[in-house]
Amino acid sequence: AQSVTQLGSHVSVSEGALVLLRCNYSSSVPPYLFWYVQYPNQGLQLLLKYTTGATLVKGINGFEAEFKKSETSFHLTKPSAHMSDAAEYFCAVSRNTGNQFYFGTGTSLTVIP
Amino acid sequence: DGGITQSPKYLFRKEGQNVTLSCEQNLNHDAMYWYRQDPGQGLRLIYYSQIVNDFQKGDIAEGYSVSREKKESFPLTVTSAQKNPTAFYLCASSNSGTRGADTQYFGPGTRLTVL
Repeated sequence: AQSVTQLGSHVSVSEGALVLLRCNYSSSVPPYLFWYVQYPNQGLQLLLKYTTGATLVKGINGFEAEFKKSETSFHLTKPSAHMSDAAEYFCAVSRNTGNQFYFGTGTSLTVIP
Repeated sequence: DGGITQSPKYLFRKEGQNVTLSCEQNLNHDAMYWYRQDPGQGLRLIYYSQIVNDFQKGDIAEGYSVSREKKESFPLTVTSAQKNPTAFYLCASSNSGTRGADTQYFGPGTRLTVL
C-alpha cells in the first residue's frame, strides 16, 4: 500500500529565506510523485511532478524538488521565500498502474515579513 | 478556457437531507474523482470514474453516491447516511484513469456545512 508522510504540519520562514518542505513515501516500487499548492478556500494547483528521467524537477513559482530513491524522499524547495508563497502544500504519490493518488496531510507554510 | 467547475461554492444542509454537488469539466478527460478534505487530514478519495457509466468506491465511499452519465459531468450526492458531512469537497479530473503519471486537475471546491 502507498503512503505519504509530510514532516511538519506547520513551517514558518522569513521572507527571502530558504523554503524546505519534506515528503517521504513508502512504496514497493518507485511511484510517480507530485507537489500541489492550495490557497485558502481554493482547489489544488500542480507545482511540479516527477515521472521518469531527471530526478531534479523544476516547477512553477521557482519551486523545485528532487526525487531520491535511496531515501524515498521528494522534498520541495525554493531558494527565497516570497509572501505570496504562504499556502498549504500537499505531496502526493500514484502507482504505476491506475491513477489513484495518495495525499500527505499537508504542510502549512507561513512567510514572515 | 478549459477547466473544472464546481457548484455551489458554499452549501448548507439540514440534517437528514440529501444534497448534490456538481462537477463539470471541459478538458475532455476520461477520468474524474471526488475527494473530501478535512483539516489536518489531507485529501481522502470518495469515488472515482475512469470512464463514462462506470465508477469505483474510494476509501471513504459510505454515505455518498455518484453517477457518470456524461463524460463532462460527475455529480456527488451526500446522503443522510453520511454522519459527518461537513467538509470541503474537491472534484478532479485526469486525462486517463489508468496511467499513474497523469496529472489530476482540481476544481475550486464546494464547502458543505450541516446545520
